Amino acid sequence: KNEVEQSPQNLTAQEGEFITINCSYSVGISALHWLQQHPGGGIVSLFMLSSGKKKHGRLIATINIQEKHSSLHITASHPRDSAVYICAVNGGSNYKLTFGKGTLLTVNP
Amino acid sequence: NAGVTQTPKFQVLKTGQSMTLQCAQDMNHEYMSWYRQDPGMGLRLIHYSVGAGITDQGEVPNGYNVSRSTTEDFPLRLLSAAPSQTSVYFCASRPTGGYEAFFGQGTRLTVV
Repeated sequence: KNEVEQSPQNLTAQEGEFITINCSYSVGISALHWLQQHPGGGIVSLFMLSSGKKKHGRLIATINIQEKHSSLHITASHPRDSAVYICAVNGGSNYKLTFGKGTLLTVNP
Repeated sequence: NAGVTQTPKFQVLKTGQSMTLQCAQDMNHEYMSWYRQDPGMGLRLIHYSVGAGITDQGEVPNGYNVSRSTTEDFPLRLLSAAPSQTSVYFCASRPTGGYEAFFGQGTRLTVV
């Protein structure tokens, strides 16, 4: 079974800071997902990647397949970025996801 | 295009009651799943379906039933609610051959 570890568990930042959230997994994967969940809200997919790097606005996701590691970066953080960020991976079956426990990000104005 | 729709958004049940959480998607996705989210834990798979008429158990299936009579709908039934089933439930779908997952808004269930 794939184990997915995220760090840090909690992160507090000041508006404008550069944020990095890390995700490590134990077994080879087909794809890795970064998800966002606002307090009391639903889950939204931010990125799905299997290699390299993707960028959407101020968000950047990278993955290193050899090291089994991914990072989510937020540039120029804003209070509206405050949310739980969840890393999830697809193993061999594309309908089963293994989730990390999430990183709670709080961005203060 | 509504995506994945879950109802209800909130529910309070008494111990022993039964209920059905509804999930519908309009994207013609073959794969659908139910997860529960508890504090301090990652989302855990309850049941999943790879197409109409085909369902299977996930990691934490006890106390829950599912069926998949159509591609669009994947209801989750709680047979006899217990306080341990207090949780946030998410339904998700994905297309055949694809990995991108689409989630519903969640159902927040409290069993008293």
